[in-house]
Amino acid sequence: RKEVEQDPGPFNVPEGATVAFNCTYSNSASQSFFWYRQDCRKEPKLLMSVYSSGNEDGRFTAQLNRASQYISLLIRDSKLSDSATYLCVVIDWYSSASKIIFGSGTRLSIRP
Amino acid sequence: DAGVIQSPRHEVTEMGQEVTLRCKPISGHNSLFWYRQTMMRGLELLIYFNNNVPIDDSGMPEDRFSAKMPNASFSTLKIQPSEPRDSAVYFCASRGDLDEQYFGPGTRLTVT
Repeated sequence: RKEVEQDPGPFNVPEGATVAFNCTYSNSASQSFFWYRQDCRKEPKLLMSVYSSGNEDGRFTAQLNRASQYISLLIRDSKLSDSATYLCVVIDWYSSASKIIFGSGTRLSIRP
Repeated sequence: DAGVIQSPRHEVTEMGQEVTLRCKPISGHNSLFWYRQTMMRGLELLIYFNNNVPIDDSGMPEDRFSAKMPNASFSTLKIQPSEPRDSAVYFCASRGDLDEQYFGPGTRLTVT
């Protein structure tokens, strides 16, 4: 089993729809979680952190489910500009270092 | 504020040549990361530094790859000799106070 897994998609949804995708992780002791967005031929950009209590930023909501070991990203009222690849990141902290694992990404395409 | 700066943005070289990629992290960030991204393997962490010291280089593919961080504002990733399978986008990122990473625009390397 991969340490961090994402459904590669593509998710193809109409503008205005709500879409959600998950990212599962294998290490129950993982401590930090993030969602990044990557546009074609561009660098990944931080979208939002994922806190234990959940995190909402406008149309975006991120949640953490420690019991089932996954994080989720919900996008409401999707826009054409939301089309991108969404990468989850899981960070495990050790005594003097951290292990950083990116998921392979979920591709989202919003159609008019 | 300037973000992470990488140079060159594009590099085309012949097999066997030495390639040097450069990165300037965001001022004040103490951690710097080198990643490689390909379609087949996604985003892979190669090495990261804390306070200019290499912490984890387990992702460096082989001895042909080396990375240095002589001071807090500069790092290099060197490939010698380069091979066609090294063709990829190489990203540098620096880390803020809350584990979030900020990526540079990347160097697109093509080895013929």
